[in-house]
Amino acid sequence: GQQLNQSPQSMFIQEGEDVSMNCTSSSIFNTWLWYKQDPGEGPVLLIALYKAGELTSNGRLTAQFGITRKDSFLNISASIPSDVGIYFCAAYTGANSKLTFGKGITLSVRP
Amino acid sequence: DTGVSQNPRHKITKRGQNVTFRCDPISEHNRLYWYRQTLGQGPEFLTYFQNEAQLEKSRLLSDRFSAERPKGSFSTLEIQRTEQGDSAMYLCASSYKRNRAGANVLTFGAGSRLTVL
Repeated sequence: GQQLNQSPQSMFIQEGEDVSMNCTSSSIFNTWLWYKQDPGEGPVLLIALYKAGELTSNGRLTAQFGITRKDSFLNISASIPSDVGIYFCAAYTGANSKLTFGKGITLSVRP
Repeated sequence: DTGVSQNPRHKITKRGQNVTFRCDPISEHNRLYWYRQTLGQGPEFLTYFQNEAQLEKSRLLSDRFSAERPKGSFSTLEIQRTEQGDSAMYLCASSYKRNRAGANVLTFGAGSRLTVL
């Protein structure tokens, strides 16, 4: 089946640092989404990407839809303590397909 | 609109009991999804509705699981004869599917956490 690969499972950074997360697959996807999940809550959408090569920003977050349509990355600049959480990539093959999620990366930010 | 609402937020039950979760989607959304999430994993698709029609079910949805969306608004997910392996967070999401090329971005609820003893 289609799988999205996120690694490492955990990342530890110092407050103020930038961090980049990748999401890769052997399958082609037409839409990429990045979600953040806090403990005990549902995932919250951060950024949505609809075209290969697209680069989109949302405040300190920047994400890109890979040109091969098989990957995406999320960059967080100048991290702050509230960036702590689990970051999931998710993707669709088509508008009527189900949303597939990666396993997530747990981000810890040291003050 | 307060977003996607799920209840109960937490449910502890004994093995063999039936449980039911309710999801109230964003009012103008025509699609409603159920996902399951276990510790250390991303959400896994269970089923989805467009209006009141259940359009797709995952192989994860055994015959002990049933989902309904009777009037195309709220939905229920029932698990019969619960097993310890059913312990998970059950997430509901909704979206508004506009057209073939339109984005189908899911908005999730806070989830219902099930613990089966």
